[in-house]
Amino acid sequence: GENVEQHPSTLSVQEGDSAVIKCTYSDSASNYFPWYKQELGKRPQLIIDIRSNVGEKKDQRIAVTLNKTAKHFSLHITETQPEDSAVYFCAASIYNRSNYKLTFGKGTLLTVNP
Amino acid sequence: GVTQSPTHLIKTRGQQVTLRCSSQSGHNTVSWYQQALGQGPQFIFQYYEKEERGRGNFPDRFSARQFPNYSSELNVNALLLGDSALYLCASSSTGAGTYEQYFGPGTRLTVT
Repeated sequence: GENVEQHPSTLSVQEGDSAVIKCTYSDSASNYFPWYKQELGKRPQLIIDIRSNVGEKKDQRIAVTLNKTAKHFSLHITETQPEDSAVYFCAASIYNRSNYKLTFGKGTLLTVNP
Repeated sequence: GVTQSPTHLIKTRGQQVTLRCSSQSGHNTVSWYQQALGQGPQFIFQYYEKEERGRGNFPDRFSARQFPNYSSELNVNALLLGDSALYLCASSSTGAGTYEQYFGPGTRLTVT
């Protein structure tokens, strides 16, 4: 089955700096890659996603890039703010009509220091 | 949005538990995930139109069902200490051309 590796497990940056989180996946059939932000004690919140027919997607300060050949995708957060502090999860899915479960990485604890 | 009940639950080993999920309006698919402390969510089940169409690597003690209004229940029998986790349901829409899954707040299950 699909396996998703996520690095780093913890990341500490200064406010205003950029943060990059990287994930690799094993199944070349995967075609949908969402990123979730989970604050302590709260639900995972979808922040951005990308489909396999796109190489990059941007939404204000966050962007995701996908390299299908290398089977890796990354989350980029620019101009980080203290409220960006949370655990971030990447996930991969083979989206088809029969089943589209998400396989998650183990998460990255991002701390933005004021 | 997606709602779940109860918020917290404490059970004893060997007992049975039922967790509930109401999907987002307009969504017809519900997925269940187990999130152990410090880990990413792990897929348990996916239901669409009341039919199971995906099951993760969980024992038969775990079962689920989906109702005509697309809400869902997750049942776990013969609870073990290792079942202690946050149980999340995610709502999505099959056939609408959208891929997003939206999570509920979760049920924190503690087995003693």
